[in-house]
Amino acid sequence: GAVVSQHPSWVICKSGTSVKIECRSLDFQATTMFWYRQFPKQSLMLMATSNEGSKATYEQGVEKDKFLINHASLTLSTLTVTSAHPEDSSFYICSARKVKVRQLTDTQYFGPGTRLTVL
Amino acid sequence: GESVGLHLPTLSVQEGDNSIINCAYSNSASDYFIWYKQESGKGPQFIIDIRSNMDKRQGQRVTVLLNKTVKHLSLQIAATQPGDSAVYFCAENTLGNYGGATNKLIFGTGTLLAVQP
Repeated sequence: GAVVSQHPSWVICKSGTSVKIECRSLDFQATTMFWYRQFPKQSLMLMATSNEGSKATYEQGVEKDKFLINHASLTLSTLTVTSAHPEDSSFYICSARKVKVRQLTDTQYFGPGTRLTVL
Repeated sequence: GESVGLHLPTLSVQEGDNSIINCAYSNSASDYFIWYKQESGKGPQFIIDIRSNMDKRQGQRVTVLLNKTVKHLSLQIAATQPGDSAVYFCAENTLGNYGGATNKLIFGTGTLLAVQP
């Protein structure tokens, strides 16, 4: 299998506080994980690529100091939303790339998402 | 400012009918494509993928067709069931030199499939 989990599944916080979201690959190792955000009725927008043991690569327009990413192990990446504001309220989804040895394709497997609501 | 509501393209089908969901991709260099299913409040679920050296690939009840000439991808679902109701996204990726997908996924806008009993 290829199971990816996220914790928490939902969180409500006050404006100005920081929130940490965890993404874990449960039954495989993932050197690369991805963080997306999704607004209602919209598509997934990539925020950053998280590489184990190195700095994350952020997409244009995503503030790296606001969305801190740490990929400390081959099965865990965390996204911290610092000084959250109501406009940061969204559905945050991570994915982990499972590399298939001796095959020419690999697939991203997605977590269940985390619903963040900032009051 | 005032936000404008967005509406996903919707495909409404009768239970038991076949569904065809279409997607136009943007990058002519993309050579790996994936279809995902997303149910409300959940993360995307992998359905089927296809490489650019193929024009058709079949799975269980699903078929993906790829037309590189017009940069078009379609997902066919046979005998659509109520459990197929979800938003379907196509995504494109580019295989790296070693053959593994190294670039990011670019998602399409999504299509809402509504199955009527």
